[in-house]
Amino acid sequence: NAGVMQNPRHLVRRRGQEARLRCSPMKGHSHVYWYRQLPEEGLKFMVYLQKENIIDESGMPKERFSAEFPKEGPSILRIQQVVRGDSAAYFCASSPLAGSDTQYFGPGTRLTVL
Amino acid sequence: GENVEQHPSTLSVQEGDSAVIKCTYSDSASNYFPWYKQELGKGPQLIIDIRSNVGEKKDQRIAVTLNKTAKHFSLHITETQPEDSAVYFCAATPANTGNQFYFGTGTSLTVIP
Repeated sequence: NAGVMQNPRHLVRRRGQEARLRCSPMKGHSHVYWYRQLPEEGLKFMVYLQKENIIDESGMPKERFSAEFPKEGPSILRIQQVVRGDSAAYFCASSPLAGSDTQYFGPGTRLTVL
Repeated sequence: GENVEQHPSTLSVQEGDSAVIKCTYSDSASNYFPWYKQELGKGPQLIIDIRSNVGEKKDQRIAVTLNKTAKHFSLHITETQPEDSAVYFCAATPANTGNQFYFGTGTSLTVIP
């Protein structure tokens, strides 16, 4: 059973460009979470999605950031008009159930904004 | 919202010694407490977790204890080995937040051979 897949693993963008980060959850998991990790810091929650629904986006910046988890295909975190402060590691996690259940993390996408 | 604090931020131990990492949380509604190990350049890996209806859980050299009254939980690693060197994160999940995890700031553990 493959784990959580994320791609790309590394992404370099210039200021003003768009970044698209993809996450394929573990097989059978229908809940996806995105977290951001700044250098030498803990992980900060961004958004929680189920198939075709955003459940909680309280951690997502109001502008430039969006997320989706379509019926078919991976979840996508999209950052428009990137700025240097967006440079971070972005991790996706998946869970089979809602409620107090464990989350399994992917290897992350390391975004560098030049 | 929930606030998780983690101590110490760095910890060095001699191989074979024990390591203890402590976390406190603020929201009494939190009921699930996982611990993750993160190696350089990799994603966090779940190593052990505990739910609020249990006071202690052990898995080989790793154990976690939970004190609900005091709102703190701890990770214990015995007989440490060099491969235990990594950053460890605790997390807490309040039951009413849709399973959002609140993470501590991490402990960088170094096991000296």
